[in-house]
Amino acid sequence: KAGVTQTPRYLIKTRGQQVTLSCSPISGHRSVSWYQQTPGQGLQFLFEYFSETQRNKGNFPGRFSGRQFSNSRSEMNVSTLELGDSALYLCASSLDIVGGPYNEQFFGPGTRLTVL
Amino acid sequence: AQSVTQLGSHVSVSEGALVLLRCNYSSSVPPYLFWYVQYPNQGLQLLLKYTSAATLVKGINGFEAEFKKSETSFHLTKPSAHMSDAAEYFCAVSGRDSSYKLIFGSGTRLLVRP
Repeated sequence: KAGVTQTPRYLIKTRGQQVTLSCSPISGHRSVSWYQQTPGQGLQFLFEYFSETQRNKGNFPGRFSGRQFSNSRSEMNVSTLELGDSALYLCASSLDIVGGPYNEQFFGPGTRLTVL
Repeated sequence: AQSVTQLGSHVSVSEGALVLLRCNYSSSVPPYLFWYVQYPNQGLQLLLKYTSAATLVKGINGFEAEFKKSETSFHLTKPSAHMSDAAEYFCAVSGRDSSYKLIFGSGTRLLVRP
């Protein structure tokens, strides 16, 4: 079974631009979460989607948004990029059977975003 | 609010020595707890998880962790370090609601000396 895939793997943008990152979860997984990893702030939760609905949101400004499609693939968008947005963006997927036991999250390799 | 504290941003051990990475959590109810490992330029890989079954949890690559409610701890151990264990390790906590939000500790970089 293929793992979580993220595209692109590396991205360079300039301040003020916007960017869209893509995540394809493991086949059959319906929950997709996004995390930002920086040396200063560590790993921080951005948002989680389940069945095309945002189920939870972290403490990030409105410039950060996401969505999930009917095939569970997810995208996140960052508008008006700032230098501080330079980070590794990780996507994770989970099986999430309603009423079932907790299912662990499987992480993708991440997208390394550099803002110049 | 839930939180995780990892003591020691860097831990250095000799090959063959015991590995002990510390994690303490804060939660009003027993949470789910996890240890993840991250190798350079890669994502996170789950080592083990605690979801209220046995308090001693065995994971991959010879790692294990013990959930101690009285100490609010979930320390990660491995009896004998291998060079390939050199990586960054993250402890994480999740609530028992329907969300899969993980709150991570700041990470501990494990260095293994030959």
